[in-house]
Amino acid sequence: DQQVKQNSPSLSVQEGRISILNCDYTNSMFDYFLWYKKYPAEGPTFLISISSIKDKNEDGRFTVFLNKSAKHLSLHIVPSQPGDSAVYFCAASEGGQNFVFGPGTRLSVLP
Amino acid sequence: EAGVAQSPRYKIIEKRQSVAFWCNPISGHATLYWYQQILGQGPKLLIQFQNNGVVDDSQLPKDRFSAERLKGVDSTLKIQPAKLEDSAVYLCASSLGEWDLRTGELFFGEGSRLTVL
Repeated sequence: DQQVKQNSPSLSVQEGRISILNCDYTNSMFDYFLWYKKYPAEGPTFLISISSIKDKNEDGRFTVFLNKSAKHLSLHIVPSQPGDSAVYFCAASEGGQNFVFGPGTRLSVLP
Repeated sequence: EAGVAQSPRYKIIEKRQSVAFWCNPISGHATLYWYQQILGQGPKLLIQFQNNGVVDDSQLPKDRFSAERLKGVDSTLKIQPAKLEDSAVYLCASSLGEWDLRTGELFFGEGSRLTVL
């Protein structure tokens, strides 16, 4: 049973437009969430985090929104750039222990 | 600052053979994780160490997988005997260990890709 779901395996957007990547979770005890980006043949790299005490966190072009009642979070990238093309993983944990990762969404930003 | 180092990057073995992967975390990071990432899936936690003690190994197939972190620094993950379904990328990650909202992120190595034939 997947506790963290990313229902879109892939997403294509035009350069300069907004990319929205979605993540849903089932465990109401999850209180800390991370987004990672992964290029081929490299390990995942940390992008941005959010805790359950917040509903939004921004870092440059990246913003994560958390809707606790819906058990849903999303990552917005504005504006999207070709270098953002990668696989994006959502991860969730209870108290920062045992992070559970989603299956990932492959983002393609078209020039 | 050096990142998480892993070796080997690639390994091809036949089923029932054994294999070992090595990880050296970022200096000063108390927590070390081994994840298994099967193609098309997200990373799955196999084992988590805090210094040289095991915090969580509930998803480690203990009949064939073993891991150690004897001196609280580097770690090895061993598979013996390997099965076809063990083909995956084995990712090592580390974190400061004193989890708080500023430092909770994991830092991953490049991974070790295992192919079992």
